[in-house]
Amino acid sequence: QQNVQQSPESLIVPEGARTSLNCTFSDSASQYFWWYRQHSGKAPKALMSIFSNGEKEEGRFTIHLNKASLHFSLHIRDSQPSDSALYLCAVGPNYNVLYFGSGTKLTVEP
Amino acid sequence: NTKITQSPRYLILGRANKSLECEQHLGHNAMYWYKQSAEKPPELMFLYNLKQLIRNETVPSRFIPECPDSSKLLLHISAVDPEDSAVYFCASSPGTINERLFFGHGTKLSVL
Repeated sequence: QQNVQQSPESLIVPEGARTSLNCTFSDSASQYFWWYRQHSGKAPKALMSIFSNGEKEEGRFTIHLNKASLHFSLHIRDSQPSDSALYLCAVGPNYNVLYFGSGTKLTVEP
Repeated sequence: NTKITQSPRYLILGRANKSLECEQHLGHNAMYWYKQSAEKPPELMFLYNLKQLIRNETVPSRFIPECPDSSKLLLHISAVDPEDSAVYFCASSPGTINERLFFGHGTKLSVL
């Protein structure tokens, strides 16, 4: 079974900062890599995905993937208080069987 | 997200039987049950595609899923255990290959 780890567990940043969240996985055959965001008391919501090595940018969010190092990351530019949430990385070998990491709790202070 | 509705929102049970319901209005083919315990990530329980159960993770036998049609999903729970206290999310996706999951608001189950 896939082992997905996230770091840091929690993070506090000032408004406007650049934030970096990390995710490592154990199965080198993994094909699908997602970031989800879960605000307190709400359902998880997909942010973005990547499935080939490199970088993908959508607005203030950028994903980096390095399959050889079993690592991918999420970077948030110009962090906003509304970005405060639990960020979950998810990795999928095939089908839509996603294994979620334990999450990084992000707090953006005004 | 009113396009995936779950009922009930909250459930407090002793050792009873109960069914959770989910309906999606997105025209998706795949539907899921996820369990999220306190301070834990969501864990897949069951995955249906076109009404067929295609993934059944290691789940106690007291949890029985049912997919009466491609837009509805049920989770029957018999003789709940305190370890079952969690939020149960229903989710759907258009297909099953690297598709974005859309989650319902969840049912919070508290077992006395």
